[in-house]
Amino acid sequence: AQSVTQLGSHVSVSEGALVLLRCNYSSSVPPYLFWYVQYPNQGLQLLLKYTSAATLVKGINGFEAEFKKSETSFHLTKPSAHMSDAAEYFCAVRTMDSNYQLIWGAGTKLIIKP
Amino acid sequence: KAGVTQTPRYLIKTRGQQVTLSCSPISGHRSVSWYQQTPGQGLQFLFEYFSETQRNKGNFPGRFSGRQFSNSRSEMNVSTLELGDSALYLCASSLEGLVTGELFFGEGSRLTVL
Repeated sequence: AQSVTQLGSHVSVSEGALVLLRCNYSSSVPPYLFWYVQYPNQGLQLLLKYTSAATLVKGINGFEAEFKKSETSFHLTKPSAHMSDAAEYFCAVRTMDSNYQLIWGAGTKLIIKP
Repeated sequence: KAGVTQTPRYLIKTRGQQVTLSCSPISGHRSVSWYQQTPGQGLQFLFEYFSETQRNKGNFPGRFSGRQFSNSRSEMNVSTLELGDSALYLCASSLEGLVTGELFFGEGSRLTVL
């Protein structure tokens, strides 16, 4: 069965520092992978997605993620954190095995220290 | 272009009652999916409707039901409410459905069951 693991329920970084949010997945077939962001009191918004084209995917707001098949990882990064990046981030995987349902990670809350 | 609209935003019910939540998707989107979000269980898929037909269903009891109208608006109903049904219920619309994984979420309906 597919699964998604996000390491760290909370990640704290200083403003201007590198943001690294970790996501590992398990899938028996090539997956589609997604990062969504949820700002306080809002719904989720798609940040970026991987669909088996380029392994380095660029998203909105300066975020990018790299698909590493050998490590079954899809970590999210941003070179320089901004206060407005404070939110909860969700990694998700979609494969045909799951009848196209998205399997969601538990989420990582990103805290930005001034 | 208007986003996904969910009503009501907040509601309080007591155990045993039933509730109906509404979702208006982005114009032109034929897929509406519903999710339950709780601190303990994270995001869980309820069901997906596409052109008035239920196309996917998650692992929720039959107390949770939904429907989609010809204008793509969707409703979900929860009967015989339990304390554990307290959650944020999110609706997402999509042009082509779960197959793309690109979902546009509403801000959610926060249900509190007393």
